[in-house]
Amino acid sequence: DTAVSQTPKYLVTQMGNDKSIKCEQNLGHDTMYWYKQDSKKFLKIMFSYNNKELIINETVPNRFSPKSPDKAHLNLHINSLELGDSAVYFCASSQAPHAGRNGYTFGSGTRLTVV
Amino acid sequence: TQLLEQSPQFLSIQEGENLTVYCNSSSVFSSLQWYRQEPGEGPVLLVTVVTGGEVKKLKRLTFQFGDARKDSSLHITAAQPGDTGLYLCAGAKDSGYSTLTFGKGTMLLVSP
Repeated sequence: DTAVSQTPKYLVTQMGNDKSIKCEQNLGHDTMYWYKQDSKKFLKIMFSYNNKELIINETVPNRFSPKSPDKAHLNLHINSLELGDSAVYFCASSQAPHAGRNGYTFGSGTRLTVV
Repeated sequence: TQLLEQSPQFLSIQEGENLTVYCNSSSVFSSLQWYRQEPGEGPVLLVTVVTGGEVKKLKRLTFQFGDARKDSSLHITAAQPGDTGLYLCAGAKDSGYSTLTFGKGTMLLVSP
């Protein structure tokens, strides 16, 4: 059983389109995250949700809108895609509140390519 | 911004060699984690260190947390091709809803 699953694995789309990435975790964790990994492999936090509520939004353009229908799901919708949005997006989960001690479980990533 | 600097950025060695990867910061962290990421996959947690001076061993991998909890090292003994991957350190502060801050990673290539 996959602990954190993201779909799709690959996404190629044109500039200006709107797309969504879905994430589900079956670990019973309370907290979920979206990270962006750029071409230099740097992982940067985008959003964090705890029990369906947004708790961290790290100066991400408002074209990015996360949605958490329940604590096991955290989806990411992106409007008006730009070339600079091309990256690998990772969903992760952890058992709050001591996320730092329990570690994160990551999905396998969604490679987004905007052309 | 709590920055974590990793060195070296890239390391290419032969099977059987030893190596050390460093993770340094000017900030104090309540815990520090090491992850390994393979191509096409997400990072996988290797270890968490919590106490200053703590040393943890995972087979041929030895992790150490600095006394001041600002830095950490990962030492691999007798590296094998299966150790190839991107090694990431990540620091956490247990204050409210904190997130992990990641270093930029060390890409390790072990050749047979």
